[in-house]
Amino acid sequence: GAGVSQSPSNKVTEKGKDVELRCDPISGHTALYWYRQSLGQGLEFLIYFQGNSAPDKSGLPSDRFSAERTGGSVSTLTIQRTQQEDSAVYLCASSFPLAGGPGEQFFGPGTRLTVL
Amino acid sequence: QKEVEQDPGPLSVPEGAIVSLNCTYSNSAFQYFMWYRQYSRKGPELLMYTYSSGNKEDGRFTAQVDKSSKYISLFIRDSQPSDSATYLCAMSVKNQGGKLIFGQGTELSVKP
Repeated sequence: GAGVSQSPSNKVTEKGKDVELRCDPISGHTALYWYRQSLGQGLEFLIYFQGNSAPDKSGLPSDRFSAERTGGSVSTLTIQRTQQEDSAVYLCASSFPLAGGPGEQFFGPGTRLTVL
Repeated sequence: QKEVEQDPGPLSVPEGAIVSLNCTYSNSAFQYFMWYRQYSRKGPELLMYTYSSGNKEDGRFTAQVDKSSKYISLFIRDSQPSDSATYLCAMSVKNQGGKLIFGQGTELSVKP
């Protein structure tokens, strides 16, 4: 079956512009996660969705970052007024969580964002 | 200090060698421990998942968890050039939605 897909695969934007990154999780996976991977910072948690709700947004670095999920499926991560420090690979993962535990998270290939 | 510390390497070994990768952590609430493998320009993929102290074996891979020392390891036996990748440890606290805290990742190169 299809895995997690993300689009675009690469995005180059100018400082100050807004960008939208899309994630299509594995069908039936109720949990969806966004992470960011940058040099020197490793892989950092951004936000977690259970269904369409986001019970944990603790990793969003500033109010320029927001995310939504609709229909318990597709999610969009939006970065407003992009800054150069936003340049990173943005990874999406989905899972069917086990009771209390993380379940196996399946990752997409990521969106490589470059802010000039 | 980061919650999870991992030596970034790079680590270079000859084919057939035994590889040892390690992470230490400071949060005693971590209860789930994972190792992911990430090839260049790809997303991470799960290799091993464990939630108790001790060893877990899967083929050439063995994951070891020592909760008393807050230390986890991944051993790769008979390493192959196809094992060349970045290996990330990840940890999670129970009942926190599955949020993963990752180590920095160790870049491994296995030379033929």
